[in-house]
Amino acid sequence: DQQVKQNSPSLSVQEGRISILNCDYTNSMFDYFLWYKKYPAEGPTFLISISSIKDKNEDGRFTVFLNKSAKHLSLHIVPSQPGDSAVYFCAGRSGNTGKLIFGQGTTLQVKP
Amino acid sequence: NAGVTQTPKFRVLKTGQSMTLLCAQDMNHEYMYWYRQDPGMGLRLIHYSVGEGTTAKGEVPDGYNVSRLKKQNFLLGLESAAPSQTSVYFCASRGVLGTDTQYFGPGTRLTVL
Repeated sequence: DQQVKQNSPSLSVQEGRISILNCDYTNSMFDYFLWYKKYPAEGPTFLISISSIKDKNEDGRFTVFLNKSAKHLSLHIVPSQPGDSAVYFCAGRSGNTGKLIFGQGTTLQVKP
Repeated sequence: NAGVTQTPKFRVLKTGQSMTLLCAQDMNHEYMYWYRQDPGMGLRLIHYSVGEGTTAKGEVPDGYNVSRLKKQNFLLGLESAAPSQTSVYFCASRGVLGTDTQYFGPGTRLTVL
């Protein structure tokens, strides 16, 4: 039972364009959703989060949208830059202990 | 302020051998976590701790043990390594506030032959 799914293993966009990464979930008890970015041979780094009671959160070039009725969230990167090329993980947070359930990840390639 | 550090960075074991992975954090975080990352499967939680002296099972705890004797350290043990435990292991820590996020270490790449 995969509670968090990222159905696109990879995405390629041109520099300057918008990147949209998608994530679906099944667990209605998640209280926060987070996006992490991971470069090769490094640990994941936190990018942006959204509370389950919000529908949008913005931080610079990064915006996360949450559609609770569809159990879907998306990360928008505008404009995309070559340095954004990495693996992006979506995660749902469960309970007071802050346990994270991760999706499989999407590899983003931004071409110059 | 080093954040979260992991020792060792790489290790090769033979089936049946044992080892301990060390995670250390200097942010005075209460919560600590061990994850494994496998191709196409994202990160999966092995064990976690909500404070010194406490541990709990995550999604994939079988074959692993943990200990949290000191607040800043979280140890992951493999008593009898199996090839299925070949993976990249990440440790993370987090503060107690609801808005706090998890900070990850750089990972340990383990190969079991």
